[in-house]
Amino acid sequence: DSGVTQTPKHLITATGQRVTLRCSPRSGDLSVYWYQQSLDQGLQFLIQYYNGEERAKGNILERFSAQQFPDLHSELNLSSLELGDSALYFCASSVQQGAGETQYFGPGTRLLVL
Amino acid sequence: GDSVTQMEGPVTLSEEAFLTINCTYTATGYPSLFWYVQYPGEGLQLLLKATKADDKGSNKGFEATYRKETTSFHLEKGSVQVSDSAVYFCALSDRGSYIPTFGRGTSLIVHP
Repeated sequence: DSGVTQTPKHLITATGQRVTLRCSPRSGDLSVYWYQQSLDQGLQFLIQYYNGEERAKGNILERFSAQQFPDLHSELNLSSLELGDSALYFCASSVQQGAGETQYFGPGTRLLVL
Repeated sequence: GDSVTQMEGPVTLSEEAFLTINCTYTATGYPSLFWYVQYPGEGLQLLLKATKADDKGSNKGFEATYRKETTSFHLEKGSVQVSDSAVYFCALSDRGSYIPTFGRGTSLIVHP
């Protein structure tokens, strides 16, 4: 158990819909990262927050947005869903945001768009 | 930009065989290097890491040495077990950027 929790574990929805994925980092971790894992694209970095502020953006679509709240939990919002958005979405956290920091991953949310 | 290249899988071995999973990287700065492991149905977890040249990371019998001259961080284990069956990801984190870069992962299957 990494100490990072993600809800829900599974999500099935339809194209065009909007969903929210939630992540609670390990106690004391200030940095939260979101990743998308799919068979064809591998593990793709989406976005990072540090202590409530967005710090880095990766391959995140404009239809996707995220935020980190004062209690440090984070939410990833996916809208106008397409079939290709079906994937595993992971959240990870780390104490700081330095290059040598270990990331602790949650169990993931499996999203299926029908 | 930064990139990580791992050998294609799956790698299929018999129990007690020697394991090598190759990883090479390209980075503009002086990165930290990581191996993460993903067991079926779980998230990734850190296996080992190295933050400077010639450092050796080790954990659970796995080892990898940071080779700056060959820009490599190959993962090795002397005797694999069935329980080592998982997907292994090589990753780097460059000091100039906080965006981590992961390889595509190498699936390891160990047969009894």
